[in-house]
Amino acid sequence: KNEVEQSPQNLTAQEGEFITINCSYSVGISALHWLQQHPGGGIVSLFMLSSGKKKHGRLIATINIQEKHSSLHITASHPRDSAVYICAPTSGTYKYIFGTGTRLKVLA
Amino acid sequence: DAGVIQSPRHEVTEMGQEVTLRCKPISGHDYLFWYRQTMMRGLELLIYFNNNVPIDDSGMPEDRFSAKMPNASFSTLKIQPSEPRDSAVYFCASSLAALPYGYTFGSGTRLTVV
Repeated sequence: KNEVEQSPQNLTAQEGEFITINCSYSVGISALHWLQQHPGGGIVSLFMLSSGKKKHGRLIATINIQEKHSSLHITASHPRDSAVYICAPTSGTYKYIFGTGTRLKVLA
Repeated sequence: DAGVIQSPRHEVTEMGQEVTLRCKPISGHDYLFWYRQTMMRGLELLIYFNNNVPIDDSGMPEDRFSAKMPNASFSTLKIQPSEPRDSAVYFCASSLAALPYGYTFGSGTRLTVV
């Protein structure tokens, strides 16, 4: 069993839809990182969080350390949000465990 | 700020040749990371440096791989000799430890070993 599971693996949405991507992990962690990888391959760090919720523009990330679960929400989705979203928990060092990613496609 | 700069963007080389990948971190960032991404294994941390000193190289696959950071503005990842299974995208990232939003990644180097 993978230490990090993301769901769904693939997601197609219509522009404007509310999107949720889930991340569950089996190891004890102190923080979790959400990354966005664009179709061209570039990787952008979205959030690093250890508790509660963080918001950045149309993106919201939540984490429940006790339940070992994090979610990434995108409100009013747009085609430019099309990317692979990767969650990466860490036990407190820089050794992140990377999920395999959720491939999101937002249609105009 | 120009961000994290990696070169080359693409590299095609023959098996057995030496390959050197280069990275310039963001000025002032004191952590530098080398990652490898493949379809099969996803993103893997190879090695990271703090203040130019290698802290953890346990992700380096074997002795054919070596990394150096001679100063705060430059790092190299060398593969000698290269093998087809080394084909991947290699990312460099840097961070300021106190930065709340995590790393800044370079654009990556796509390496193909034929």
